[in-house]
Parts: sequence; C-alpha cells; structure tokens
Amino acid sequence: QSALTQPASVSGSPGQSITISCTGTSSDIGGYNLVSWYQQYPGKAPKLIIHKVIERPSGVADRFSGSQSGNTASLTIAGLQAEDEAAYYCCSYGGGWTYVFGTGTDVTVL
Amino acid sequence: EVLLVESGGGLVQPGGSLRLSCAASGFSFSSYWMSWVRQAPGGGLEWVADINQDGRGKAYVDSVKGRFTISRDNAKNSLYLQLNSLRADDTAVYYCARPPEYCSGGGCIDAFDIWGQGTMITVSS
Repeated sequence: QSALTQPASVSGSPGQSITISCTGTSSDIGGYNLVSWYQQYPGKAPKLIIHKVIERPSGVADRFSGSQSGNTASLTIAGLQAEDEAAYYCCSYGGGWTYVFGTGTDVTVL
Repeated sequence: EVLLVESGGGLVQPGGSLRLSCAASGFSFSSYWMSWVRQAPGGGLEWVADINQDGRGKAYVDSVKGRFTISRDNAKNSLYLQLNSLRADDTAVYYCARPPEYCSGGGCIDAFDIWGQGTMITVSS
C-alpha cells in the first residue's frame, strides 16, 4: 500500500498542455483499469475529474483527459487555464477493496 | 441534492478514541459502498477504509488495521468511523466519500465521486 508516485509540481503557461504522471506497480495501476484523478483547491474537498482511466464525469471539461500504459497513468490538461491551478491526485484500486492515492501534484499556471 | 456531512472531529490526546459520523442525504445510501479518506495537514490524500452495502464487507489501510472500525446504519443513512489508540500521525481531515452513481447496487467503488466537507481530527497532548 505504498503511495503512487507523482511529480511534486508541474507548471505551464495559459493555453499550453501539461501532463501529470502517476507511477505505481503491477499490484495497483498495472493490475486494473481503475485509475481515477482528483482536482483539489486549498481548503476544499477533492473533485473527481477522471475515472476508469479515461472516463470523464458529466460536467468535467473535455480539456482533461486520462491515459494508462503499464504501471503508469497520466492526466493531460489541454489549453491550460488559470482556474486549473490546483493540486491533482491520482488513485488506483489495489485489490481486496483497497485503494491507494498518489503523492499529489501542484499545478501552477504561469 | 446529494450530500454527505461529516461530524465528530476534534482534539484528542494520543491513545484516545473518537467516533466520526457521516450523514448522507439525497440518494439511496443503502445501495452504495462507502469510504473514508483522510488528508494530513499540508499532505496528500490517503484512503482509510471502505464498507459494502450490508456492512459485512470491510477493508482498511494497513496503518489503521486493528485501531479503526468502519460501520454503517442504513436505517439512519449514516456512515461511521470509530478511531481508537489514536496517534499523532492520525491528525488529518477525514472525508467520507461515495462512488459514482453507476456503482449503485453493485460490488463497485471504482472512484470517489461524492465527498463531504470533511471533519478535522487533531491528536495532540
């Protein structure tokens, strides 16, 4: 149940695309197609933005997209906007009804 | 409106106990697995525990096994977390969370879609 590995910070200019990686193992990310991503503003509860690797809940901007290759999942934010400045967390099913979150990535819009 | 409201947080001494509650409304509570997720001050999210619809299926993160107990009362639309033998590293905001709507009635969590506002627990002498 070790936390998934994410870069501590990623930055980009408005309009650019950025990608956040999330690295796990064959016991979590690589073993299931159950990666989710969350956006969190300071002092607020997290918000689900991607589930089942690539699915976007209703109401989430299509600028957000997810992917997975082996033990690594990725979140791409296209056309970066000022409102995208937040913390982002990945999460994966780990088997046995357990879940593991990533270490979190702070996104800065320059 | 789908709503989760946590309560029961506060300041507790190391070794102490606390019981958190999560009141659900606006959906069929008894149809969903439910979970607790915590976040230490300035830290990341950590899944803590989850429980199935009838309360007999439970899972915990290793660090709380034997100390925390998740339970539910479907008649009261409520989720609980009993925290015993508390340690300083249990200090966190505790959130209850519900999976996506498509998980209703099934053996499914997949993700954490609906979140409460969180309740803060501080373990300190």
